[in-house]
Amino acid sequence: DVKVTQSSRYLVKRTGEKVFLECVQDMDHENMFWYRQDPGLGLRLIYFSYDVKMKEKGDIPEGYSVSREKKERFSLILESASTNQTSMYLCASSLRPAGGGEQFFGPGTRLTVL
Amino acid sequence: GENVEQHPSTLSVQEGDSAVIKCTYSDSASNYFPWYKQELGKRPQLIIDIRSNVGEKKDQRIAVTLNKTAKHFSLHITETQPEDSAVYFCAIGAQKLVFGQGTRLTINP
Repeated sequence: DVKVTQSSRYLVKRTGEKVFLECVQDMDHENMFWYRQDPGLGLRLIYFSYDVKMKEKGDIPEGYSVSREKKERFSLILESASTNQTSMYLCASSLRPAGGGEQFFGPGTRLTVL
Repeated sequence: GENVEQHPSTLSVQEGDSAVIKCTYSDSASNYFPWYKQELGKRPQLIIDIRSNVGEKKDQRIAVTLNKTAKHFSLHITETQPEDSAVYFCAIGAQKLVFGQGTRLTINP
């Protein structure tokens, strides 16, 4: 079974804080993704990575950055958290590139920015 | 860029009836069309997918149909059961996945 874990289920931060969300997968997948999920908007891609130290912007990268130093770990960074970044954040990994096959999701981190 | 519209946003059906959710898209380059199910408080999980060289795929009570000419694809659930209650997301894929807005399906006993 593919296992994708995220560092926190719930997180509360203050405006202006630097926030790190961590994601780890144990199936040696090349491809990893960060999405945010908001009601009525579905899942929107923030960043993705198809190899260690490689990253690509998704559809809504503004205000975020990512780090992938090791194959199994993909981190999402909010440089200066703002209230409009309050959301559910989902990490995913896949064996094939995004357009090629199943993505396995983590449990999500619900981030609240006060 | 890619865009996918999903309808309806909510759907309520009687147990045993069928449910149909439809997605339309604009990017002709899309060649992968998955459907994900997200139960309350849980992570999205793939339930069925189809590729552009296939028009229909079925897995027990679930089927997906694809019309590439008209750029739409649909999820069909037959003989619905209470455990089918969830939010369903379609997506289109080429280099990346673009998700629809989601459909909240409620099965009434």
